[in-house]
Amino acid sequence: GAGVSQSPSNKVTEKGKDVELRCDPISGHTALYWYRQSLGQGLEFLIYFQGNSAPDKSGLPSDRFSAERTGGSVSTLTIQRTQQEDSAVYLCASSHRITIGGAYEQYFGPGTRLTVT
Amino acid sequence: AQSVSQHNHHVILSEAASLELGCNYSYGGTVNLFWYVQYPGQHLQLLLKYFSGDPLVKGIKGFEAEFIKSKFSFNLRKPSVQWSDTAEYFCAVNGGGATNKLIFGTGTLLAVQP
Repeated sequence: GAGVSQSPSNKVTEKGKDVELRCDPISGHTALYWYRQSLGQGLEFLIYFQGNSAPDKSGLPSDRFSAERTGGSVSTLTIQRTQQEDSAVYLCASSHRITIGGAYEQYFGPGTRLTVT
Repeated sequence: AQSVSQHNHHVILSEAASLELGCNYSYGGTVNLFWYVQYPGQHLQLLLKYFSGDPLVKGIKGFEAEFIKSKFSFNLRKPSVQWSDTAEYFCAVNGGGATNKLIFGTGTLLAVQP
């Protein structure tokens, strides 16, 4: 079946502008994650959604970052007033529902490469 | 807090050489361990995973990893690498719990020379 898809694949924006990044998870996956991959920082967790539970926002680097997930499927990551240090590849991943004591592998999308000029 | 260390940042090997990439984690509880691979121009793919049971796990493309709990290690191995194994390899851990978020190592860039 189809994998995780993300759009756009590349985004160039000027410093101070807002950007929205989109993620379509694998159908049937209820858990959705955002990560960021940047030089010097490696891969960092940003935010996690599962079903109607409150998201885990513990990885968001500042209040300029927010994310939502509508209808339990598509998710949008928004970065307001972008800064040059926001330049990175933003990765989305999805997995089956997480249960206490359980674990499922995460499937990653191709990412959105964000460049802030 | 959980953390993952990958000791080799850049490895260069000739084809048919054996590979071992180190991975150590810090977390005292039950962990789930992963190796992901990112081939040039492609997205992250799961290579292998350990959840429980046999500590020697086998993954795709002839890779294997051994979970040694006493050493907090999960090293990746392959007896004979190929040029097509050129990629970046990431070790990751999660402690289960409510979110299952992954903590990644900094990655090892492997270049295999033909």
